[in-house]
Amino acid sequence: SYELTQPPSVSVSPGQTARITCSGDALPKKYAYWYQQKSGQAPVLVIYEDSKRPSGIPERFSGSSSGTMATLTISGAQVEDEADYYCYSTDSSGNHDVFGTGTKVTVL
Amino acid sequence: EVQLVESGGGLVKPGGSLRLSCAASGFTFSNAWMSWVRQAPGKGLEWVGRIKSKTDGGTTDYAAPVKGRFTISRDDSKNTLYLQMNSLKTEDTAVYYCTTIKVGGNSQYYFDYWGQGTLVTVSS
Repeated sequence: SYELTQPPSVSVSPGQTARITCSGDALPKKYAYWYQQKSGQAPVLVIYEDSKRPSGIPERFSGSSSGTMATLTISGAQVEDEADYYCYSTDSSGNHDVFGTGTKVTVL
Repeated sequence: EVQLVESGGGLVKPGGSLRLSCAASGFTFSNAWMSWVRQAPGKGLEWVGRIKSKTDGGTTDYAAPVKGRFTISRDDSKNTLYLQMNSLKTEDTAVYYCTTIKVGGNSQYYFDYWGQGTLVTVSS
């Protein structure tokens, strides 16, 4: 089955840059999406189609994709950005949707 | 404002059944593709399945772990999405989220609006 692999955790100091990677064989041909989930809350879309930001999402969130890896970047991370982050995409057939393994971002 | 409110969760024994509901408002439900996503306690997100709008065929797709046991349906007259869960296993214990689906570039699906979720616990 198709898998998207993320690092389990990323730590960053306030104001610094956090980068979260997502690795998957189909990413050269498929878009990546990124969700933020704060403790006890439902996920929120923060990046779609590799690099687009939904309205209401701060500009410090950006996305990119190259080859088999997509990256979510938080530039100037804030304490309120502490959350779990999940990438999401589909396999090359488009039939198997999958979330990444998730990355816990700590800002301290 | 889009609102999705799940209900119907609770405690059920292995092998039992449960039906979840998701009441939708703030958008034209009949035109929307909808999905269920779950999250086991302390674990990551897992796509469960989706249903297209009736105008797009009303077809369903399911993730392998639930195929043949779970059924997604919709009642457009009530703006409500359902998840019928049969032959439940302990590994089905999770918070179940109802989501709207957006079809974007490359005809890829993604989830834009989410409900707050309802907890299903499968235990003897």
